[in-house]
Amino acid sequence: DTGVSQDPRHKITKRGQNVTFRCDPISEHNRLYWYRQTLGQGPEFLTYFQNEAQLEKSRLLSDRFSAERPKGSFSTLEIQRTEQGDSAMYLCASSPKGVSYNEQFFGPGTRLTVL
Amino acid sequence: AQTVTQSQPEMSVQEAETVTLSCTYDTSESDYYLFWYKQPPSRQMILVIRQEAYKQQNATENRFSVNFQKAAKSFSLKISDSQLGDAAMYFCAYRRGNKLVFGAGTILRVKS
Repeated sequence: DTGVSQDPRHKITKRGQNVTFRCDPISEHNRLYWYRQTLGQGPEFLTYFQNEAQLEKSRLLSDRFSAERPKGSFSTLEIQRTEQGDSAMYLCASSPKGVSYNEQFFGPGTRLTVL
Repeated sequence: AQTVTQSQPEMSVQEAETVTLSCTYDTSESDYYLFWYKQPPSRQMILVIRQEAYKQQNATENRFSVNFQKAAKSFSLKISDSQLGDAAMYFCAYRRGNKLVFGAGTILRVKS
């Protein structure tokens, strides 16, 4: 399968713990995005990478959140000191360079539950 | 600020019938892209159709078509000959720069 993959698919953690999610974009897609989706809502933008550079961050991305994309390949999203309000589906998407309409291809998501 | 509004939380359609999902958006830009994404239960989101704002012609992809009214800032999705596999959450999205701004979604149920 050559689509966007995310790991883990589900994560249950206790409040105050740190969690890290991984996203592997489609090969040769240089753009990578993270979104958060809460129940019954549409996805909300968190951050955007072009290659290894993090070019945009949402105000939703508090200082407890950090994202990286070393070497412009896979990306990780870490949440420190998790809170119950962090419970959501975290979606990763990627898109190829040089395409004007910038279609984003989404992964299956990581569902986080904070107890 | 760009906002996307989907006023129908849930819609139902009989198999083989036609259904239209509504979407309105707010923007001050003149050139932009609009998308409809489909999110089946427990499956990943996939692009259904896109529309470039500078194109007057409505986009069509097989059984899916849009009614794009730029002046009214309306972007509805029409699904013809509905199939059971069309059952999903449908999101309207506006592309602002490098990110997508999504509506709250419409759940589409298809009755056999």
